[in-house]
Amino acid sequence: KNQVEQSPQSLIILEGKNCTLQCNYTVSPFSNLRWYKQDTGRGPVSLTIMTFSENTKSNGRYTATLDADTKQSSLHITASQLSDSASYICVVLNYGQNFVFGPGTRLSVLP
Amino acid sequence: SAVISQKPSRDICQRGTSLTIQCQVDSQVTMMFWYRQQPGQSLTLIATANQGSEATYESGFVIDKFPISRPNLTFSTLTVSNMSPEDSSIYLCSVGDRSGTEAFFGQGTRLTVV
Repeated sequence: KNQVEQSPQSLIILEGKNCTLQCNYTVSPFSNLRWYKQDTGRGPVSLTIMTFSENTKSNGRYTATLDADTKQSSLHITASQLSDSASYICVVLNYGQNFVFGPGTRLSVLP
Repeated sequence: SAVISQKPSRDICQRGTSLTIQCQVDSQVTMMFWYRQQPGQSLTLIATANQGSEATYESGFVIDKFPISRPNLTFSTLTVSNMSPEDSSIYLCSVGDRSGTEAFFGQGTRLTVV
């Protein structure tokens, strides 16, 4: 069964600290993996998209990693800001053109 | 990137009524999708809006409850019919290409049914 799991479910950190969010998937056949940021009451916004051959991709203070062998991905946020408070959703696309959404990690950055 | 305008951004509706949500894209797109995000949950695909033909619905969603129109390659509507409090969710329009390289989302419509 195609599934995407994320951990932790929620996370609270202080402004300026780093954090890492985890994503495990069983989607097959794998096409690409995306991380989205979703502010409360808004639609998801793409942060990174990674294909099978990519191990790391950065977008400013966001760095995503992908291990296709273990089917794991992580999103590392450096020097967190208050505006980073949001839900972060891991999404995997299979070659059947089906997006499989993770449940998201709710990040709260406190001053 | 595609710019997606979704209207309304939020609404409070009486049970038994219907609401139509509009999705306008600033460029022609092949694929348009409608998602539902219930409180505290991730996104669930309702249907793929097909231009010129009936929408393709996912398991658990039916046309009578969620009729969809797609008259052209830049516009689609989703209607939530005969609403009940269980329909209170965020409804999101999404566009993408067939390769799955890109997927963009509208800002969502926050629906509350009382």
